[in-house]
Amino acid sequence: DSGVTQTPKHLITATGQRVTLRCSPRSGDLSVYWYQQSLDQGLQFLIQYYNGEERAKGNILERFSAQQFPDLHSELNLSSLELGDSALYFCASSGGGSGELFFGEGSRLTVL
Amino acid sequence: SQQGEEDPQALSIQEGENATMNCSYKTSINNLQWYRQNSGRGLVHLILIRSNEREKHSGRLRVTLDTSKKSSSLLITASRAADTASYFCATDGKDMRFGAGTRLTVKP
Repeated sequence: DSGVTQTPKHLITATGQRVTLRCSPRSGDLSVYWYQQSLDQGLQFLIQYYNGEERAKGNILERFSAQQFPDLHSELNLSSLELGDSALYFCASSGGGSGELFFGEGSRLTVL
Repeated sequence: SQQGEEDPQALSIQEGENATMNCSYKTSINNLQWYRQNSGRGLVHLILIRSNEREKHSGRLRVTLDTSKKSSSLLITASRAADTASYFCATDGKDMRFGAGTRLTVKP
């Protein structure tokens, strides 16, 4: 158990809809990262937050947004969903020391 | 940002054989990390090697780092069917980016 919790584990929705994925980092970790992994692909870095502030941005679509709250949990909002958004979305947290990332088990999004 | 690129993309070996995967990167680093992903699961950290280290061991894992060539290798010795997974490298930086990974299949 990595200590990182992601909900929901599975989500099926329709095109055009909006969903929110939630991540609770390991206790004490200030950094949260979001990644997208399409079928049999590598991980695409989306965005990183550190202690509530956006720290780095990757290949995140304008239809997607994220935030980190004062209690350090983070949410990834995906809107106007398209079939191609179907993927595993991972959250990872880091305490910053060595930079080791601890990954959640992911949220599997299926857009029909 | 830093991103590692793993090679080969896929590797298939028999149980008991050694598996070697490579990672190349483009700019200076402080450390390089290797992760493992079982199908559809979250990544798990395997080992971290710092830029001033050349080799590091952890159980059946051996990692080397050549900063002059900007490359690293991960060796899994005496592989087992349970080692079947995808392996990723990542370098430190403001963001943590991963390559496409090496998909290792160990046949019993």
